[in-house]
Amino acid sequence: DAGVIQSPRHEVTEMGQEVTLRCKPISGHDYLFWYRQTMMRGLELLIYFNNNVPIDDSGMPEDRFSAKMPNASFSTLKIQPSEPRDSAVYFCASRKAGRAAEKLFFGSGTQLSVL
Amino acid sequence: AQSVTQPDIHITVSEGASLELRCNYSYGATPYLFWYVQSPGQGLQLLLKYFSGDTLVQGIKGFEAEFKRSQSSFNLRKPSVHWSDAAEYFCAVSGGGADGLTFGKGTHLIIQP
Repeated sequence: DAGVIQSPRHEVTEMGQEVTLRCKPISGHDYLFWYRQTMMRGLELLIYFNNNVPIDDSGMPEDRFSAKMPNASFSTLKIQPSEPRDSAVYFCASRKAGRAAEKLFFGSGTQLSVL
Repeated sequence: AQSVTQPDIHITVSEGASLELRCNYSYGATPYLFWYVQSPGQGLQLLLKYFSGDTLVQGIKGFEAEFKRSQSSFNLRKPSVHWSDAAEYFCAVSGGGADGLTFGKGTHLIIQP
């Protein structure tokens, strides 16, 4: 299996532009998570899905952030409009159903820079 | 709410020396605990996890961790580090439900030759 695949690896954009981050989870995994990593805050859970349905989006910082999972093999995280404080590494992760302690598999992340 | 504290932002260890990375958690019930490692430009990889039972758990790459309920700790250890162990290490806690993990802010491990 190719693992969790994220694209792009790097994104540089200007303030005010729309940014879309993409994730392909591991086939057969039922849960998908979006995390944001910054020096100041560490790893923060933004939102997670179970069977394509958003379960908890309480970590989404503002209405500028939205996430979708139209099918079991694809998810997007969109920021519109983007701001410099959104600069971070965004990780997607997936796991099988069962206890939360099941192993979480991470993608390599998208490094976002908003100028 | 659950939380994780990793008190050391940076740790420097000589190659071949022993290592201990500290982790303290806050959770109202018995937690599920994890250690993940992140190499530069990569995602996180699971080193080991504790669910229940034996409080000393073995992981990959020669790492182990000990759960101490009385101290709310889950420290990571390795008897002899290698240069390839240089990375960022994250401790995480879960309540066992379907939710995601709560991570500490990480400890950056530097290996001196």
